[in-house]
Amino acid sequence: EPEVTQTPSHQVTQMGQEVILRCVPISNHLYFYWYRQILGQKVEFLVSFYNNEISEKSEIFDDQFSVERPDGSNFTLKIRSTKLEDSAMYFCASAFAPRGKLFFGSGTQLSVL
Amino acid sequence: AQTVTQSQPEMSVQEAETVTLSCTYDTSESDYYLFWYKQPPSRQMILVIRQEAYKQQNATENRFSVNFQKAAKSFSLKISDSQLGDAAMYFCAYMRGAGSYQLTFGKGTKLSVIP
Repeated sequence: EPEVTQTPSHQVTQMGQEVILRCVPISNHLYFYWYRQILGQKVEFLVSFYNNEISEKSEIFDDQFSVERPDGSNFTLKIRSTKLEDSAMYFCASAFAPRGKLFFGSGTQLSVL
Repeated sequence: AQTVTQSQPEMSVQEAETVTLSCTYDTSESDYYLFWYKQPPSRQMILVIRQEAYKQQNATENRFSVNFQKAAKSFSLKISDSQLGDAAMYFCAYMRGAGSYQLTFGKGTKLSVIP
């Protein structure tokens, strides 16, 4: 079965630094998402992306966050100035249809020190 | 806002037995979708089963089936013939039928399978 690939699997950064989390969605998928899961808490929606623009975002997705699909294959999440509370597992997901099967990557564990 | 509640933080089941995980949700919408996702120790989220609210028939995927009670806003997952590989966190999730594609997750139920 095709897979969503995320890199790196772990990222450690200092507070205030910029990080970019990378994802390669499944090639024929059209809808792309970022979710995050703080340890011990529920999975939370961050943003959805379709047709090269953000289609929906949550309150968590403030001006410190941005997404990009720079080359038609990668899908990135950038956090401009990380905070301690940004420490979480970040999941990328993609789907061919928005209400169909959503494929998740294995996540990037971000630790902000 | 929609909420999803999983009232069982942890459950256990003997191998080969059947277990049911509970999920309730709150919504004023009539059209929506419900999902169960499995998260094994690898932490990758894997879709187990999907239910469209307008369908009265309960969804089934091999050993996994749901009991969808729309009036009661209940969506439980039944795992039959439990296997060691079923041990994982299970998350119930909700998606609106129009206007939004985001999933709202419950807090999850940790399922242990006893050999």
